[in-house]
Amino acid sequence: DAKTTQPPSMDCAEGRAANLPCNHSTISGNEYVYWYRQIHSQGPQYIIHGLKNNETNEMASLIITEDRKSSTLILPHATLRDTAVYYCIVRDNNNDMRFGAGTRLTVKP
Amino acid sequence: DGGITQSPKYLFRKEGQNVTLSCEQNLNHDAMYWYRQDPGQGLRLIYYSQIVNDFQKGDIAEGYSVSREKKESFPLTVTSAQKNPTAFYLCASSIIWVANQPQHFGDGTRLSIL
Repeated sequence: DAKTTQPPSMDCAEGRAANLPCNHSTISGNEYVYWYRQIHSQGPQYIIHGLKNNETNEMASLIITEDRKSSTLILPHATLRDTAVYYCIVRDNNNDMRFGAGTRLTVKP
Repeated sequence: DGGITQSPKYLFRKEGQNVTLSCEQNLNHDAMYWYRQDPGQGLRLIYYSQIVNDFQKGDIAEGYSVSREKKESFPLTVTSAQKNPTAFYLCASSIIWVANQPQHFGDGTRLSIL
């Protein structure tokens, strides 16, 4: 069973920041938060991951709350090509990544 | 370019037939994985391999078999015992099998029953 809760869908205007929330209230201390996205009929694409600290890379930023019970993926300037299903996953060394249904993000012109 | 190659992209199976899906990686990764995705759902783990000549069952291994004779290859066989094989199959790899190393995915094989 997925350990995360995400809204089923979100819209974002092109050029604006997309903020995708994820709840993981049962996360334990050694579990990482991962984000992937999947465009229809393609394999999931790795975006970013973190344990406790906020992380940033060329694709996105990951903000993890201090209690680690929730996180937000931020796409700073969304484009039409960012339209995809975004998966938030928690993972430790004893299990694999359990994908839920994700959030379908639609970027609109 | 380094990456994960899955073939074929589309595959059709007759009733009672075994089929093998190919997954090759040139990333020099130790760990490899097979997932199944049904329409509108997330991925479910079928098998994984932490290192060559070793593999373990995932959550839905029944009706599937794998081998890991070479580091770069992790083929999946869908046997006739798998009663509902129509799905999108995804292969992934990671440097090693630990939580802080991301898995990277191929572009999948879509299997359908004739």
